Amino acid sequence: DAMVIQNPRYQVTQFGKPVTLSCSQTLNHNVMYWYQQKSSQAPKLLFHYYDKDFNNEADTPDNFQSRRPNTSFCFLDIRSPGLGDAAMYLCATGEGSGTYNEQFFGPGTRLTVL
Amino acid sequence: KQEVTQIPAALSVPEGENLVLNCSFTDSAIYNLQWFRQDPGKGLTSLLLIQSSQREQTSGRLNASLDKSSGRSTLYIAASQPGDSATYLCAVSGAGANSKLTFGKGITLSVRP
Repeated sequence: DAMVIQNPRYQVTQFGKPVTLSCSQTLNHNVMYWYQQKSSQAPKLLFHYYDKDFNNEADTPDNFQSRRPNTSFCFLDIRSPGLGDAAMYLCATGEGSGTYNEQFFGPGTRLTVL
Repeated sequence: KQEVTQIPAALSVPEGENLVLNCSFTDSAIYNLQWFRQDPGKGLTSLLLIQSSQREQTSGRLNASLDKSSGRSTLYIAASQPGDSATYLCAVSGAGANSKLTFGKGITLSVRP
C-alpha cells in the first residue's frame, strides 16, 4: 500500500543533543510537509518542500532544519532541542497540483526532551 | 491571516446518536477543506476532502458539508459507535494548489456504550 512512513515512532533525546526525524513516502508526491503538534494544539506547519524548493514558515525557529535528498525522503533536524520542542512531529505529502491537493499524513514521531 | 475554530473542544454522546461537529474559518478564499481523525498519540487520518466548489462529500456514515461564503463546515456522523471516539480536526487550504493547511484545534469525541 502506498503510504507515508515516519521513523522512529518515539524519540527521546537530551536537552541540547541534536536529533533527526525521518519521513519517507511511496506516493511519489511532489510536496512534503513537516508539522509540529503540541498537546491539545492544532498542528503547526514548520516548512515544506515542493520538489527541491524549500519553503520555510516565517515563525519557524532557526533550530529546525530540513533536508530532502530525493523525492521519497525528507528529514527534520533539530539542532539543539529544548524542553519546549517536545511534541508530536507529523510528516505529510501532497501532489502540489491538480484538483484536490489532499494531504496524507504519516503516523507521527513523538519527541521527548529530557 | 486564516483562523480555524472548532467548538466545543470536547463532546460526549451515547452510542447510536447522530451528531454534528462544527468548524468555522475566517477567510472564505480557500482551495479545499479536509476533515481528519486523530486517535490518541497517533497521526492524522484523512476522512473527507471538499473542494471549494463543492457543497458536500459523503463516505459511509460520514457526511461533510461546506458553506464557503459563511465560512462554515460541518461533519455529520450517523449512528455513532464507540469506535468513533477520537479527535476530529478540520483544516483549510489557502488559495493555490500547494498552499499550506491551517488547522483547528479539534473536537475530542467520546461515544459512550
